Amino acid sequence: ETAVFQTPNYHVTQVGNEVSFNCKQTLGHDTMYWYKQDSKKLLKIMFSYNNKQLIVNETVPRRFSPQSSDKAHLNLRIKSVEPEDSAVYLCASSLTGKVFGPGTRLTVL
Amino acid sequence: GDKVKQSPSALSLQEGTNSALRCNFSIAATTVQWFLQNPRGSLINLFYLVPGTKENGRLKSAFDSKESYSTLHIRDAQLEDSGTYFCAAVNTNTGKLTFGDGTVLTVKP
Repeated sequence: ETAVFQTPNYHVTQVGNEVSFNCKQTLGHDTMYWYKQDSKKLLKIMFSYNNKQLIVNETVPRRFSPQSSDKAHLNLRIKSVEPEDSAVYLCASSLTGKVFGPGTRLTVL
Repeated sequence: GDKVKQSPSALSLQEGTNSALRCNFSIAATTVQWFLQNPRGSLINLFYLVPGTKENGRLKSAFDSKESYSTLHIRDAQLEDSGTYFCAAVNTNTGKLTFGDGTVLTVKP
């Protein structure tokens, strides 16, 4: 099956903890992305990455960092979570149009 | 910044009726995508458009790059069409993809 896969589906944690979300695409795309969808369902790009270039949205706090081992994987690490990080994190990949994964819902207590 | 305005913000339809969603851009856009986010949260690709029209089953979408807008027509609405519809446009000059705020569609029996 060719698609974008994300794990975990849900994660609940406490303020100050570190979390890591995984994303893998089997579409053979060169570029991957992380988006944050807040409680109002607004979608904001956080990172875009291909094997040559990382583009960071300047509004993303430094505690967020993407991690890639190869072009099929782009994980997201949050070093010390804050309550405002509670959201759905969506991974995507693209060749032409974007294909999204199912998302990881993060709740920070 | 780049703005993508969707209208209406919410819509309620009787099963079997037709309607249209609209997306206006503040930018010169090169491509447009339409997505449906279902109640489980998955973002499903509906259309990827260059200027012109596409049709898929009961859905039809048009993208007018000169007038900077796109439309999504839903014919014979079904209960499973319920969800949030997002459009997203790629800025011709920067390549940046910007999402609209979504249209929440509820189809009632």
